[in-house]
Amino acid sequence: DSGVTQTPKHLITATGQRVTLRCSPRSGDLSVYWYQQSLDQGLQFLIQYYNGEERAKGNILERFSAQQFPDLHSELNLSSLELGDSALYFCASSPYSSSYNEQFFGPGTRLTVL
Amino acid sequence: AQSVTQLGSHVSVSEGALVLLRCNYSSSVPPYLFWYVQYPNQGLQLLLKYTSAATLVKGINGFEAEFKKSETSFHLTKPSAHMSDAAEYFCAVSESVAGGYNKLIFGAGTRLAVHP
Repeated sequence: DSGVTQTPKHLITATGQRVTLRCSPRSGDLSVYWYQQSLDQGLQFLIQYYNGEERAKGNILERFSAQQFPDLHSELNLSSLELGDSALYFCASSPYSSSYNEQFFGPGTRLTVL
Repeated sequence: AQSVTQLGSHVSVSEGALVLLRCNYSSSVPPYLFWYVQYPNQGLQLLLKYTSAATLVKGINGFEAEFKKSETSFHLTKPSAHMSDAAEYFCAVSESVAGGYNKLIFGAGTRLAVHP
């Protein structure tokens, strides 16, 4: 158990819908990262927040957005869902924003878009 | 930009045999490198990391990796495979940018099968 929690574990929805994925980082970690894992793209970095502020953006679609709240939990919002958005979405956390800090991953949310 | 290449998407070994999973990186600066393992239906768990302190890094579950700058490699090894080692293994490099943020760039992964 990494100490990172993600809810829900599974999510099944239809095209065009909007969903919110939630992540609680390890106690004391200030950085939260979101990754997408799919069969064709592998593990892709989406976005990073540090202490409530957006720090880095990766291959995140404009239909996706995220935020980190004062209690440091984070939410990833996915809208106008398409079949291709079906994937595993991981949240990870680390104490700070340093390159040498390992990231601790949550169990993931499996999103299925029908 | 940094990148990671994992040679061999599938590796199969016998129980008790040597495990060797290959990882090569591309980086213009001294890299921070990581190996993660993903068991079925689970998240990623850190096996070990290289942060320039020592070239031979020991991790959990008997795994180790050696950083070779001249070969730009960070191969993962385990002397004797166990059935419980069957999983997918990811090599990653941490890319940092001025401003104090970083992200992990992952290889495509290697699925390790261990047979009796």
